[in-house]
Amino acid sequence: GNSVTQMEGPVTLSEEAFLTINCTYTATGYPSLFWYVQYPGEGLQLLLKATKADDKGSNKGFEATYRKETTSFHLEKGSVQVSDSAVYFCALIRDDKIIFGKGTRLHILP
Amino acid sequence: KAGVTQTPRYLIKTRGQQVTLSCSPISGHRSVSWYQQTPGQGLQFLFEYFSETQRNKGNFPGRFSGRQFSNSRSEMNVSTLELGDSALYLCASSLVAPVDYNEQFFGPGTRLTVL
Repeated sequence: GNSVTQMEGPVTLSEEAFLTINCTYTATGYPSLFWYVQYPGEGLQLLLKATKADDKGSNKGFEATYRKETTSFHLEKGSVQVSDSAVYFCALIRDDKIIFGKGTRLHILP
Repeated sequence: KAGVTQTPRYLIKTRGQQVTLSCSPISGHRSVSWYQQTPGQGLQFLFEYFSETQRNKGNFPGRFSGRQFSNSRSEMNVSTLELGDSALYLCASSLVAPVDYNEQFFGPGTRLTVL
């Protein structure tokens, strides 16, 4: 079946460090891929998305590239800020159903 | 424009009881989806309603049910509560059926604790 696997957290980085959160997926065909962010006490917000192979989604300095050959959609940011501390979810949509990864908690230290 | 609101924000129940959670979507949104978030299982899709009809359903037992009213407000009911039902329940709304999910807006969730 379809599934999403994310690196387990928590991930702790210093401000201005480079961030990578790994995400790989298993799915038939060509799913759409998403990253969501959940700030403390809030619901999820869509961060970025990609709908076909080699697409790059980007928003707020974050980016992720849809890699069909490695079935991956890793999230990256060149210089993180304390305000980026949150839980990040990778997700796919296939056959009108959304499947989330288990989330990666990110702590950014000042 | 007000966002998605969920009530109550926190709830404590005991095993065997039932619970009803409420979600008010953004004005004009007709699709409402429900999710269960737990540390062990992560985020799992429960069901989606559009124009008062359930369009999609996840893999949850029949104890979990929902409905949508003509004003698009939605309720979710869990009967015969079990300890494992303790979770954050998230509601999300979108203007139309969320075929590609890029227009879903999430509420802050209801945290249910079953003792």
